[in-house]
Amino acid sequence: GQQVMQIPQYQHVQEGEDFTTYCNSSTTLSNIQWYKQRPGGHPVFLIQLVKSGEVKKQKRLTFQFGEAKKNSSLHITATQTTDVGTYFCAANAGGTSYGKLTFGQGTILTVHP
Amino acid sequence: GAGVSQSPSNKVTEKGKDVELRCDPISGHTALYWYRQSLGQGLEFLIYFQGNSAPDKSGLPSDRFSAERTGGSVSTLTIQRTQQEDSAVYLCASSRGSQETQYFGPGTRLLVL
Repeated sequence: GQQVMQIPQYQHVQEGEDFTTYCNSSTTLSNIQWYKQRPGGHPVFLIQLVKSGEVKKQKRLTFQFGEAKKNSSLHITATQTTDVGTYFCAANAGGTSYGKLTFGQGTILTVHP
Repeated sequence: GAGVSQSPSNKVTEKGKDVELRCDPISGHTALYWYRQSLGQGLEFLIYFQGNSAPDKSGLPSDRFSAERTGGSVSTLTIQRTQQEDSAVYLCASSRGSQETQYFGPGTRLLVL
């Protein structure tokens, strides 16, 4: 079955430092979504990437989808304490798996003030 | 409320007992998903309903797990003869259609003693 690997598992940064999490799929994807889960909360949708090589920005967050549509990254510039949480990628393979998301294990981000 | 709701928020049960978890999706959303999240882990896909189509049950871990969705709205996840390894947070999500943004409920925290 489809596998989605997300690294790193943990990332500790000082406030103001940058942060990047990477997501790799064993198969070509239809699209990829990113979610954020605050401690004690539930996942909240951040963005969806559909096109090969797509780059989208949300304020300090930059999302990229690889040319081969098998990998993606989320980069946060100048982290703030409000960025704390777990960031998940969620891959959609399409085809017979249409609609089903396979989540990565997540990257837990802690930000030290 | 406009969001996904789940009940109960917490459930403590004894090993061997059956439990039912309920999910009320956002009105008008045709797709409904169940996930399981163990402590500090990612989201494990369980089952996916889309409209009147047969559900995708490929993620159900054993035949003790079942789910139904009545009238295309409310869904119930049933776990029979619960085991301690079933302890986790069970999250429900709904979306307007397949491959669209998933909106998560607050989850049901299940503890099997």
